[in-house]
Amino acid sequence: NAGVTQTPKFQVLKTGQSMTLQCAQDMNHNSMYWYRQDPGMGLRLIYYSASEGTTDKGEVPNGYNVSRLNKREFSLRLESAAPSQTSVYFCASSSRDRGAGYEQYFGPGTRLTVT
Amino acid sequence: AQSVTQLDSHVSVSEGTPVLLRCNYSSSYSPSLFWYVQHPNKGLQLLLKYTSAATLVKGINGFEAEFKKSETSFHLTKPSAHMSDAAEYFCVVSGVYNFNKFYFGSGTKLNVKP
Repeated sequence: NAGVTQTPKFQVLKTGQSMTLQCAQDMNHNSMYWYRQDPGMGLRLIYYSASEGTTDKGEVPNGYNVSRLNKREFSLRLESAAPSQTSVYFCASSSRDRGAGYEQYFGPGTRLTVT
Repeated sequence: AQSVTQLDSHVSVSEGTPVLLRCNYSSSYSPSLFWYVQHPNKGLQLLLKYTSAATLVKGINGFEAEFKKSETSFHLTKPSAHMSDAAEYFCVVSGVYNFNKFYFGSGTKLNVKP
């Protein structure tokens, strides 16, 4: 049981390049999330997916797209990277069973630098 | 709307002394509340959660938190700090109407002095 996995762990991009961050979970969770973490700002939600086939914008969606490929996988794409997207990106998943305590489980993060 | 305020961005304690990390939330109804810990260059790990059961919640590594509805608070405490507790701590509240959404505080960095 690996939990939530993310690839890559580190990435350096030049301005204007594109890339996709991959995330997978093996806990049979319905909901998945992408956050970015910047110093002093906590975690900010980029996009989330409440179930397979649905996605919704979070607090900071501009410059990003997502795909919920199946129940396990949720990818984040930067079409044209900008220096402002330099950040640490976390993927998370959770169940939708409120009675069971639907906490989020986080991946190890992807550290992205855009030059 | 849901929101969370962590009242201290930095807290410094000596090893063996108590820890208090403060969190206030805003919610029209009883929310679900969580504390996560993040060690340097690591992901976030759940410390404890409150989901409308007992108001005093015990978590891992000796941490606990008390839900006080009248004060809209969910402060994190530990009787005796250990060097390994040095990390950043996040208080999180879930959305009442959309319980798939989570709202994070800005974090409190805990420093533990020997």
